[in-house]
Amino acid sequence: NAGVTQTPKFQVLKTGQSMTLQCAQDMNHEYMSWYRQDPGMGLRLIHYSVGAGITDQGEVPNGYNVSRSTTEDFPLRLLSAAPSQTSVYFCASRWTGATEAFFGQGTRLTVV
Amino acid sequence: QQQVKQSPQSLIVQKGGISIINCAYENTAFDYFPWYQQFPGKGPALLIAIRPDVSEKKEGRFTISFNKSAKQFSLHIMDSQPGDSATYFCAASIGGSARQLTFGSGTQLTVLP
Repeated sequence: NAGVTQTPKFQVLKTGQSMTLQCAQDMNHEYMSWYRQDPGMGLRLIHYSVGAGITDQGEVPNGYNVSRSTTEDFPLRLLSAAPSQTSVYFCASRWTGATEAFFGQGTRLTVV
Repeated sequence: QQQVKQSPQSLIVQKGGISIINCAYENTAFDYFPWYQQFPGKGPALLIAIRPDVSEKKEGRFTISFNKSAKQFSLHIMDSQPGDSATYFCAASIGGSARQLTFGSGTQLTVLP
């Protein structure tokens, strides 16, 4: 049982480049979400999805796109990377109404 | 605007001591208050959680104390161990589940041997 798998673990981008952070879960969870973690700011919600085909914005959605074509996958797209997007990104999933969210191991992204 | 304020930012405790981390919230609609533990290079993992209908919840060495009138809650780690060294995040949500968690800024705990 792999849980929540994020790829890549590390990435360096140049300003203006685009990329997709991958997130996959094998627990058949309906709810998936993306957070970014910055020093002194905790984790902030970027986007979330309550099921395939349904996504919504969180607290800090600007500069990011998501889609949810399957229950298992929830990719996060950076359209034009900016240095302000340098952060550690975490994907999480859970069953609807569950009290525990399961997090992946994170992707450390540096934009230069 | 930070809806959940956490303190201290860092904490150093001797082995066997008590670690205390505090959080305060503003939104009275919050009804679920979990604590997450994060080790370096790992994602956060649920440690313990409480709902506002109780004032205290204990699981092993970990206890949450909740003060609804003061809008504050805290994590107490009794008999702290070096293996407890990690970053701890308090969080809050509406709806009694882990939906759209609002996290505190985190506390880096170091337990000295």
